[in-house]
Amino acid sequence: GAVVSQHPSWVICKSGTSVKIECRSLDFQATTMFWYRQFPKQSLMLMATSNEGSKATYEQGVEKDKFLINHASLTLSTLTVTSAHPEDSSFYICSARPGTGFYEQYFGPGTRLTVT
Amino acid sequence: GENVEQHPSTLSVQEGDSAVIKCTYSDSASNYFPWYKQELGKRPQLIIDIRSNVGEKKDQRIAVTLNKTAKHFSLHITETQPEDSAVYFCAAITNQAGTALIFGKGTTLSVSS
Repeated sequence: GAVVSQHPSWVICKSGTSVKIECRSLDFQATTMFWYRQFPKQSLMLMATSNEGSKATYEQGVEKDKFLINHASLTLSTLTVTSAHPEDSSFYICSARPGTGFYEQYFGPGTRLTVT
Repeated sequence: GENVEQHPSTLSVQEGDSAVIKCTYSDSASNYFPWYKQELGKRPQLIIDIRSNVGEKKDQRIAVTLNKTAKHFSLHITETQPEDSAVYFCAAITNQAGTALIFGKGTTLSVSS
């Protein structure tokens, strides 16, 4: 149980284009989903927290107009990187929390984004 | 907000030795402290966790200790094996709705045979 998927697993895009990453909780309903970014040899940095049906809460320093987050249902959250630039190249990992718990966070497999 | 410091950043041990990784946190309201193991290009995997009402927890070769007064917790791996080589992250969180795990910067553990 508690499986989270991400799609795509990797993507290469050209500078200036937009990329959408999907995060799905497959066997539970996720009232809260989180997006992290991880640069090579660094830690997971929280980008934003999203609750189903409401606007995401972004961490300080994360541009909300550049990283659009939509949590349209209890099993799906999307992250759209708009007007991507090479410095946005990173490993993006989502996690989902079941509605029943405060602590549990189940991680997706991550999406490797490369912007050329 | 919460800030988690982790040391050391790299740790090299011989197979069979013990490894200890230490973390400190800043938010006294934090009450759940998990440890994750991450292999290159993969998602973090929860290996052990501890809640604030417990001082120590053990699972086979892995143990975690927590000192709430000092706001620090540690991961202990005994009888290390080459397959223990990975990046380990500590994290902290409070039991408030909507809060997220905040991670330390990670420790790269290398176990040589």
